[in-house]
Amino acid sequence: DTAVSQTPKYLVTQMGNDKSIKCEQNLGHDTMYWYKQDSKKFLKIMFSYNNKELIINETVPNRFSPKSPDKAHLNLHINSLELGDSAVYFCASSPGDRTNEQYFGPGTRLTVT
Amino acid sequence: AQSVAQPEDQVNVAEGNPLTVKCTYSVSGNPYLFWYVQYPNRGLQFLLKYITGDNLVKGSYGFEAEFNKSQTSFHLKKPSALVSDSALYFCAVRDPYSSASKIIFGSGTRLSIRP
Repeated sequence: DTAVSQTPKYLVTQMGNDKSIKCEQNLGHDTMYWYKQDSKKFLKIMFSYNNKELIINETVPNRFSPKSPDKAHLNLHINSLELGDSAVYFCASSPGDRTNEQYFGPGTRLTVT
Repeated sequence: AQSVAQPEDQVNVAEGNPLTVKCTYSVSGNPYLFWYVQYPNRGLQFLLKYITGDNLVKGSYGFEAEFNKSQTSFHLKKPSALVSDSALYFCAVRDPYSSASKIIFGSGTRLSIRP
């Protein structure tokens, strides 16, 4: 009965590879997010979708491409991975009303070697 | 542009003592303010929020926070700290007039409670 789940939990890969991280929420929320947390624990929003529509697209390299097949899923595909992409990536969801808090997944620790 | 600051990287408190984790913000108009906690190797968990109304809001695990408009602050407090409160705490602000649901997180404060 996990609210927001992410797979995989850990991802170790080499530079230049392409990888995907999947996120699913069973809370019935309209809005989903991807965040990047760097080694200093600084948390930065990357993307947000509302009912499958992209509403936030921060200054992120276009090697990162989100995809939302339905409002319960938001996947993150990363092309040509670089060392600087190593971080923990969090998916989150919230109801559409912006007064509401976000529910975070457990995170995916990406290590690029 | 909206912003949020957590001036302390680390706060150390003895168990049983009161604790305060500081947060200040900058946003046009009245902000929506949130506190989250992150335990090691876990995602963020919501603690409490201020949207409108009473300036003192109570949340999970005995935490509370006071919204102070004149000082643009939203400090997190707890009357008696527990060792299990040791974690990373994030303050966050959302501009209610923003057309996109974007939350800005502070840099985080590591709270360490010694027995």
